[in-house]
Amino acid sequence: GAVVSQHPSWVICKSGTSVKIECRSLDFQATTMFWYRQFPKQSLMLMATSNEGSKATYEQGVEKDKFLINHASLTLSTLTVTSAHPEDSSFYICSARTRPYEQYFGPGTRLTVT
Amino acid sequence: AQTVTQSQPEMSVQEAETVTLSCTYDTSENNYYLFWYKQPPSRQMILVIRQEAYKQQNATENRFSVNFQKAAKSFSLKISDSQLGDTAMYFCALSNTDKLIFGTGTRLQVFP
Repeated sequence: GAVVSQHPSWVICKSGTSVKIECRSLDFQATTMFWYRQFPKQSLMLMATSNEGSKATYEQGVEKDKFLINHASLTLSTLTVTSAHPEDSSFYICSARTRPYEQYFGPGTRLTVT
Repeated sequence: AQTVTQSQPEMSVQEAETVTLSCTYDTSENNYYLFWYKQPPSRQMILVIRQEAYKQQNATENRFSVNFQKAAKSFSLKISDSQLGDTAMYFCALSNTDKLIFGTGTRLQVFP
């Protein structure tokens, strides 16, 4: 149980375009999901908390207009990187809360902006 | 502010041996949870073990156990009978809300 998937696992896009990453909880419902960003050989940095049916809560310093989050159902949250630039290239990881204080993570999405 | 510190950037251990990864944290909260996550080369984050701060008994999961010292704000992970598959980044994390605060990680290499 507690499986979280992400799609795509790897994406290359051109500078100025937008890309959408999906995060799904496969065998449970998740009212809360989280989006993280991880640079090479670094730790995970929380970008935002995604709540089903309401607006996401962004961490300080994260541009909400660049990183659009939509949590339209209890099993799906999406992260759209708008007008992507090379500095947005990173590894993006989502997680879903299964019970208080516990999160299970998706396999991550590697984004490369050329 | 809450912080998590992992002072060992890299560790190595021989297969079948025991290794301990260190973690210290700081929080003003009385109720919180502590976690160890493993990130192998696939980069999939895997929950290794979890400890509730109100529980005095140290958590164990098969070959993995913790030494939780609440007063010292220390939360170390002991891996017994190390296996090659234990090679990974290990992150210590703290939560007193839904948010996880991660340490910088310890890269563990298990040698045959």
